[in-house]
Amino acid sequence: GAGVSQSPSNKVTEKGKDVELRCDPISGHTALYWYRQSLGQGLEFLIYFQGNSAPDKSGLPSDRFSAERTGGSVSTLTIQRTQQEDSAVYLCASSLVRWEQYFGPGTRLTVT
Amino acid sequence: SQKIEQNSEALNIQEGKTATLTCNYTNYSPAYLQWYRQDPGRGPVFLLLIRENEKEKRKERLKVTFDTTLKQSLFHITASQPADSATYLCALLGDNNDMRFGAGTRLTVKP
Repeated sequence: GAGVSQSPSNKVTEKGKDVELRCDPISGHTALYWYRQSLGQGLEFLIYFQGNSAPDKSGLPSDRFSAERTGGSVSTLTIQRTQQEDSAVYLCASSLVRWEQYFGPGTRLTVT
Repeated sequence: SQKIEQNSEALNIQEGKTATLTCNYTNYSPAYLQWYRQDPGRGPVFLLLIRENEKEKRKERLKVTFDTTLKQSLFHITASQPADSATYLCALLGDNNDMRFGAGTRLTVKP
């Protein structure tokens, strides 16, 4: 079946612009996660959605970052007024059970 | 503070040898620990989960151990192959029920 998809695969934006990154999870997966991975670094947790519960936003690095999940499916991560330090690969994962996450291919964001 | 440390940033071994990767953690009381594989330009792929009451788990050429006293997990790949070359990440559940990952160990298996 189809895996987790993310779009765009690459995004180059100018400093100060807003960007939206999209994640389509595996159908039926109730949990959705966003992570950020900088070059050569591990995954940094950003936000977690579980069903209809309020999302766990504890990993969002600043109020410029926000995410929503519509209809319990597609999620959008929005970064406002992008900064150069926001450049990274943004990974989305979904899961049916907590311990086995399925990752998308990521969106490589470059802020110039 | 909570930490997950994967001791080697990079590990180079010869084909056919056993690769052993280490994951140490601080200030976690995990019910389970996971290992993922990540290839360049791709998202991580789940490999194995081991629970706190399991000492060892095997899957084909992979073996994982979990010592909750030492707060350590070892990940072994036996009879390694060049196709095993990748970055391997360990992961634990954090206080907020979010998954926390180590920085990974980049394994290179040379023919």
